[in-house]
Amino acid sequence: NAGVTQTPKFQVLKTGQSMTLQCAQDMNHNSMYWYRQDPGMGLRLIYYSASEGTTDKGEVPNGYNVSRLNKREFSLRLESAAPSQTSVYFCASSEFGPYSNQPQHFGDGTRLSIL
Amino acid sequence: KNEVEQSPQNLTAQEGEFITINCSYSVGISALHWLQQHPGGGIVSLFMLSSGKKKHGRLIATINIQEKHSSLHITASHPRDSAVYICAVRSYGGSQGNLIFGKGTKLSVKP
Repeated sequence: NAGVTQTPKFQVLKTGQSMTLQCAQDMNHNSMYWYRQDPGMGLRLIYYSASEGTTDKGEVPNGYNVSRLNKREFSLRLESAAPSQTSVYFCASSEFGPYSNQPQHFGDGTRLSIL
Repeated sequence: KNEVEQSPQNLTAQEGEFITINCSYSVGISALHWLQQHPGGGIVSLFMLSSGKKKHGRLIATINIQEKHSSLHITASHPRDSAVYICAVRSYGGSQGNLIFGKGTKLSVKP
């Protein structure tokens, strides 16, 4: 079982470049999430999609956009990368919405460095 | 002050030892999660608690709602338990669907 698959696993960008982080889940989950993890800090929610066709801002949405392409896929886009966006990015999914207290299933992360 | 505090930040144990990791929180919650982050970076959900105690293999998680405190215990620890353990809470009326995450406890079990 693949679970939650993130691509790429590693990426180095120059300041001002754009890129899209891809996430796909094969568990037929309704809700998907994007987090960032920085040294010395807990995971922080960037955006989430409670169900197909909806997206909402999390704690740290500035500088990012998302697309819930279909029930399986949820992408995160950096339009103009900044060094402050250097981080490890995790995608997660859950069967029901964020208020249902279902466990979240995480991908392996994308390590992104912005020079 | 962080809404979710974990202690200790770092923990080194000898194989076979009983391990306790603590999580305290300052908000009213509907559920608390314990997660494990492997050295390679992957994150796995271990437990979700809203009351009492749960056990899975050598792992036991407890929660005291009145004291706003949870513990994760590992019995007969093994080097493969080495990982970062993360506590996260869902607060009542939590905005934006957020889980609030602790900073994690890094556990190293020596053979």
